[in-house]
Amino acid sequence: EVQLVESGGAVVQPGGSLRLSCAASGFTFNDYTMHWVRQAPGKGLEWVSFIAGDGITTFYADSLRGRFTISRDNSKNSLYLQMNNLRTEDTAFYYCAKDKDDSYYFDYWGQGTLVTVSS
Amino acid sequence: QLMLTQSPSASASLGASVKLSCTLSWGHNSYAIAWHQQRPQKGPRFLMKVNSDGSYSKGDGIPDRFSGSSSGAERYLSISSLQSEDEADYYCQTWGTGILLVFGGGTKLTVL
Repeated sequence: EVQLVESGGAVVQPGGSLRLSCAASGFTFNDYTMHWVRQAPGKGLEWVSFIAGDGITTFYADSLRGRFTISRDNSKNSLYLQMNNLRTEDTAFYYCAKDKDDSYYFDYWGQGTLVTVSS
Repeated sequence: QLMLTQSPSASASLGASVKLSCTLSWGHNSYAIAWHQQRPQKGPRFLMKVNSDGSYSKGDGIPDRFSGSSSGAERYLSISSLQSEDEADYYCQTWGTGILLVFGGGTKLTVL
C-alpha cells in the first residue's frame, strides 16, 4: 500500500524558513518523480514543484522559483521542501504527491501538513 | 495559455447521477486531464485520467460508479448512484509544455 506522510508544518514569522518532509512507503521510491502541491485555507490546489526520481531534474512554479528548493533522499525514501523568505501568502496545507510514471499527474497524495506564516 | 475551467458548485440527490465538467482553454482540445476528489478536511485522492478520445483509466480502488468521458474541449466525470461520501470537492488537473501543471478551480458537489 502506497503511503505518503508529510511533516514539518509549523507557525513561522514572515521572512522565516521551514523544511517540510514527506516519508514514502509502499513503492520503489527512486523510480518515481515526486511533487509538492499546496492549498491555501478554503482555496483550490496549486502545484509547487517536482523532482525526478534521480534527484537531478527539478522544476518549480514560476511564482515560487528562488525561494523554495525541492530535494529527495532516495536512501531514506524521503522528499523535502526547503522554504525560505516565507510570506503570509505561503500559508497553506502542503501535500506531497507521487507522479504516475512521469506523466505529470498524481496518483497518490499525502494527508498534508499546515504551514502558517504569521507575525 | 493552458487553463482549466470548472463550475464552482453542483448538486444532486442521494442515489441519483451527476456529470461534472472541466473545460480546457482554446487550442488545448487534445490534452488529457486527471480528476481528483477531496473530501472535507482530507487530502486529495486520484480518481482517474481522462484522454481526449474519451478513454479513461481509474486509480486503485475507485468504484465502478465513477467514469469519465470527453467531448471536444470538455472532460467529464460522471458519478452514478450518488452516496453521501461522494460529497466533496472535485478538481481537474492537466499538464503542458514547459512542464506547466495546472488545476481547475474545483467543483463543490453537494449530495442532497
